[in-house]
Amino acid sequence: DTGVSQDPRHKITKRGQNVTFRCDPISEHNRLYWYRQTLGQGPEFLTYFQNEAQLEKSRLLSDRFSAERPKGSFSTLEIQRTEQGDSAMYLCASSLVQGTGNTIYFGEGSWLTVV
Amino acid sequence: GEDVEQSLFLSVREGDSSVINCTYTDSSSTYLYWYKQEPGAGLQLLTYIFSNMDMKQDQRLTVLLNKKDKHLSLRIADTQTGDSAIYFCADRYSSASKIIFGSGTRLSIRP
Repeated sequence: DTGVSQDPRHKITKRGQNVTFRCDPISEHNRLYWYRQTLGQGPEFLTYFQNEAQLEKSRLLSDRFSAERPKGSFSTLEIQRTEQGDSAMYLCASSLVQGTGNTIYFGEGSWLTVV
Repeated sequence: GEDVEQSLFLSVREGDSSVINCTYTDSSSTYLYWYKQEPGAGLQLLTYIFSNMDMKQDQRLTVLLNKKDKHLSLRIADTQTGDSAIYFCADRYSSASKIIFGSGTRLSIRP
C-alpha cells in the first residue's frame, strides 16, 4: 500500500482556467477528505465523502468548486474559472471508519498557483 | 465556534526536549491528533490520543491531555535536527467526521 496519492503535485494555471486534481485514497478506505492549505496556515476542511456519497461541504467550497467520488474509490476536485485567491495546496486524506476510531492519513498535496 | 490554537514558533537546542502546546474549544472532542509537516510536503500523522486518556507515550513522543482545561501538549524528547518542521494539533468533534487544525507551530533546532 503506497498511501494516499495525489496528482498532479504541482499545477500552474492562468486566471480563469479550469483545473482538476485527482486523489487515490488508501485501498479500502471508505472516507475521503479534501482540505486546502495556504502559506502559514493550517489545513482548512473543504468536503468529505463516505464511499461515493458527499456528506459534508464547507462554506469555503464555493460554486466554482466541485468534488466527486463516483465509484467510492478515487476522487476529483475541480476548480472552475480559477482566481488568484485559489492559489494554495490542496490536500486529500482518507480513513477507514471502524467503531469510534478515525485515523486520517494525508497525501503529499497538490500545489496550485494561479497567475 | 470550533477553534484550535497553537503558538507559532518554538526554538530549542539540539538534544533538549521540545514541548508544543495546543488549546481547543469543543468539550465534546473525541480524538486529538498531532501531525508533522516538512517543507513542501503533506501531513504526517505522528500520534493521537483518545479523549478519555490523560497521557500517551510513543518512543520519543509524549502526549498529555488536560480535558478540564482543554489543553493538549506534545513533548519530543532528545530533539534532533530532523525534528525541524511545522507541528499541527488537530481536533475531531464527536458530531462530525472532519478534523479541525490549528495554525501550526514551527519548531526550529539550534545546534
